[in-house]
Amino acid sequence: KAGVTQTPRYLIKTRGQQVTLSCSPISGHRSVSWYQQTPGQGLQFLFEYFSETQRNKGNFPGRFSGRQFSNSRSEMNVSTLELGDSALYLCASSILPATLDYGYTFGSGTRLTVV
Amino acid sequence: SQQGEEDPQALSIQEGENATMNCSYKTSINNLQWYRQNSGRGLVHLILIRSNEREKHSGRLRVTLDTSKKSSSLLITASRAADTASYFCATDAPGAGSYQLTFGKGTKLSVIP
Repeated sequence: KAGVTQTPRYLIKTRGQQVTLSCSPISGHRSVSWYQQTPGQGLQFLFEYFSETQRNKGNFPGRFSGRQFSNSRSEMNVSTLELGDSALYLCASSILPATLDYGYTFGSGTRLTVV
Repeated sequence: SQQGEEDPQALSIQEGENATMNCSYKTSINNLQWYRQNSGRGLVHLILIRSNEREKHSGRLRVTLDTSKKSSSLLITASRAADTASYFCATDAPGAGSYQLTFGKGTKLSVIP
């Protein structure tokens, strides 16, 4: 079966612009999470969605937002981009509301570079 | 914030040797998971161990969990060059409303052919 699909794979944006990243989870997976990975801070949780509802949000400014559609696909948006937003953005899906018995399946990520 | 701390930060071994990575965490957990990441790519789930389990095996992987010490170890036996990657532990905290993984900074493993 198809894995978690993230688009685009690479993106270069200018400071001040906004960006939208997309994630299509594995069919049947209703929980979608987003993580930011940087060399300095490592992997940090952004937010999690289930049935179009955001259930948890990490410690990121309001410039970072997301949403989930009825088909479980998710998008995240970053407005007013800063140089520090350059990172690998990873999306993960899970078959359950919580991962008590299963791990997450991650996509290959979107590499965002802000110049 | 980073909950897990992997040790060592980097590990270089010869093919065929065993590799052991350790992870410590700070708060109580539902489960602890290990993931592998090849250079700049997505994470691959390796194994999950619940808080009431002490040891788990999957192929060449062996994971132990000591909740009293808040630590876990991942052993890869008979390593191969293809095992070269970064390895992360991640914890899933208990309680409704969590729904997030907290990752450590990872161990970079190099397996020399």
